[in-house]
Amino acid sequence: LAKTTQPISMDSYEGQEVNITCSHNNIATNDYITWYQQFPSQGPRFIIQGYKTKVTNEVASLFIPADRKSSTLSLPRVSLSDTAVYYCLVGDQNTDKLIFGTGTRLQVFP
Amino acid sequence: DAGITQSPRHKVTETGTPVTLRCHQTENHRYMYWYRQDPGHGLRLIHYSYGVKDTDKGEVSDGYSVSRSKTEDFLLTLESATSSQTSVYFCAISESAREQYFGPGTRLTVT
Repeated sequence: LAKTTQPISMDSYEGQEVNITCSHNNIATNDYITWYQQFPSQGPRFIIQGYKTKVTNEVASLFIPADRKSSTLSLPRVSLSDTAVYYCLVGDQNTDKLIFGTGTRLQVFP
Repeated sequence: DAGITQSPRHKVTETGTPVTLRCHQTENHRYMYWYRQDPGHGLRLIHYSYGVKDTDKGEVSDGYSVSRSKTEDFLLTLESATSSQTSVYFCAISESAREQYFGPGTRLTVT
């Protein structure tokens, strides 16, 4: 399983766009990139997943460059309720387990 | 939310006693997982199951055992609880390991 590296913490203000970058230099050909969000006292929640280029859903966008050695989760116009820990994971379609790191703690200020 | 429940939600127990945590799903998902979460460590995989009676170890399996006799239930047992096992325990389910759904968590305190 590829190891991921992400910033420990980030601060932002309401209404700003937040970009969290994850490094995964040893990503394998069949690996997908997945992001989870975790609020205090809750289990993580799936946000978005991608393999290459760009993926967008109602919550976020995921940008993956051609070499796939990194990825960026983009949260548009964050609000206070986006304050959470965000985890980046990589694994292939046949992976039966995921390894969570310590994640990035995002704090959104008014 | 995915149909996944954990019981108990909170438990305080003494060192050396056995403890069993239960995860129950109504989604008929193939995979089930037990994680623990501690400050500074994020989520760590304890054990997981890829089918009835099929289980495997995760990163931090020492001191824990699991059983899955039915698709819907995945039990985590601490044979002899220690203070180092004080943690929040999360169960997760999935059809594909890449997208997991997590339960509400069980806060276990071992005194």
